[in-house]
Amino acid sequence: DTEVTQTPKHLVMGMTNKKSLKCEQHMGHRAMYWYKQKAKKPPELMFVYSYEKLSINESVPSRFSPECPNSSLLNLHLHALQPEDSALYLCASSRLADYNEQFFGPGTRLTVL
Amino acid sequence: GDSVTQMEGPVTLSEEAFLTINCTYTATGYPSLFWYVQYPGEGLQLLLKATKADDKGSNKGFEATYRKETTSFHLEKGSVQVSDSAVYFCAMIIQGAQKLVFGQGTRLTINP
Repeated sequence: DTEVTQTPKHLVMGMTNKKSLKCEQHMGHRAMYWYKQKAKKPPELMFVYSYEKLSINESVPSRFSPECPNSSLLNLHLHALQPEDSALYLCASSRLADYNEQFFGPGTRLTVL
Repeated sequence: GDSVTQMEGPVTLSEEAFLTINCTYTATGYPSLFWYVQYPGEGLQLLLKATKADDKGSNKGFEATYRKETTSFHLEKGSVQVSDSAVYFCAMIIQGAQKLVFGQGTRLTINP
């Protein structure tokens, strides 16, 4: 199994909703990432987990809350989002956090109304 | 600081044309270099990589050579197909860092 899976593929939510994005990999990778990508832009790093511990938070607003329950799973909990948070959210994983190529999932297209 | 600069797009070519997408980098440490491709409505796929100077990465007819003297990693393909239409991102990661640094992306359209 050499892929990263993400669910759901699409999500529409209101500003008062609470929702979660899920990411899974079975490649034995010990680093996992959340990125946000706006249209016609490169991905922007949000969070890095290394060995299930949060190692980087790129000053992301607290309405985004990551969680890494185990080495294969990564969640992103969403609460009280703004319309400007609408974007493609990409999960990635790598063998280790340091100096390794990252493998991306297909993304969740999020629309905040 | 660390940065990656790609040629601005969009780039439009005819099928079977030769492709070059330029990429240069500025790095405070020793980087590994990557090309990612993003097809419409999808995530990023790793296209090829090079981890040291003079390495050549190749995949699906695409090639790029890590040139330390010119700090470049240009993407080339000898004969493009309509199915190569996508956005291409050059990226690097510095040894000891955890963060991929992306270029701005180059949108490629191939016409039949």
